[in-house]
Amino acid sequence: DGGITQSPKYLFRKEGQNVTLSCEQNLNHDAMYWYRQDPGQGLRLIYYSQIVNDFQKGDIAEGYSVSREKKESFPLTVTSAQKNPTAFYLCATQNLAGGKNEQFFGPGTRLTVL
Amino acid sequence: GESVGLHLPTLSVQEGDNSIINCAYSNSASDYFIWYKQESGKGPQFIIDIRSNMDKRQGQRVTVLLNKTVKHLSLQIAATQPGDSAVYFCAETEGTGANSKLTFGKGITLSVRP
Repeated sequence: DGGITQSPKYLFRKEGQNVTLSCEQNLNHDAMYWYRQDPGQGLRLIYYSQIVNDFQKGDIAEGYSVSREKKESFPLTVTSAQKNPTAFYLCATQNLAGGKNEQFFGPGTRLTVL
Repeated sequence: GESVGLHLPTLSVQEGDNSIINCAYSNSASDYFIWYKQESGKGPQFIIDIRSNMDKRQGQRVTVLLNKTVKHLSLQIAATQPGDSAVYFCAETEGTGANSKLTFGKGITLSVRP
């Protein structure tokens, strides 16, 4: 998983609760991404950040929030406003100066709403 | 946990045979393509990439072919092994660095019969 850690691996949430998923990287990559993956579907972009203290909404940002206070960290909060949060969440990083668009992925967090 | 491979098209091959996994992409301006492999419960792993100025690129036991005329990408795996069983998906992007984002296909499940 190349220096990207996600925790926890499994997370259970009661309806109405906010939960925060952690993503940390030691690759010194500028950009970090959060994707959601559901069975039978491709990766869908939630939020991304290309520089500290700045982030952009992806295709399905509603019900989620992020912060990028440090280059190494990009936590994702799943709020109670997200109506169907059960999914596999993937964090990725990219070296923007590398001339390639390859993204490196963490091991993922599986969130289940009880 | 529920597999992301559920509901995806499945390619079943005999161990030792060659596998060909196909991907149709949508953006005729895409100029960089990646194949990822995702094992159950894990994050995607980079397999091989190709730029649009090439039509073929070879790696260890894998070959990627690009046909820009029909917007088609394929991944060939030689002498398929049980460890190759996974979900495979392609990704495309236009441009590089901060001005680009990857778009991911839904994926195909490769099942290797012993």
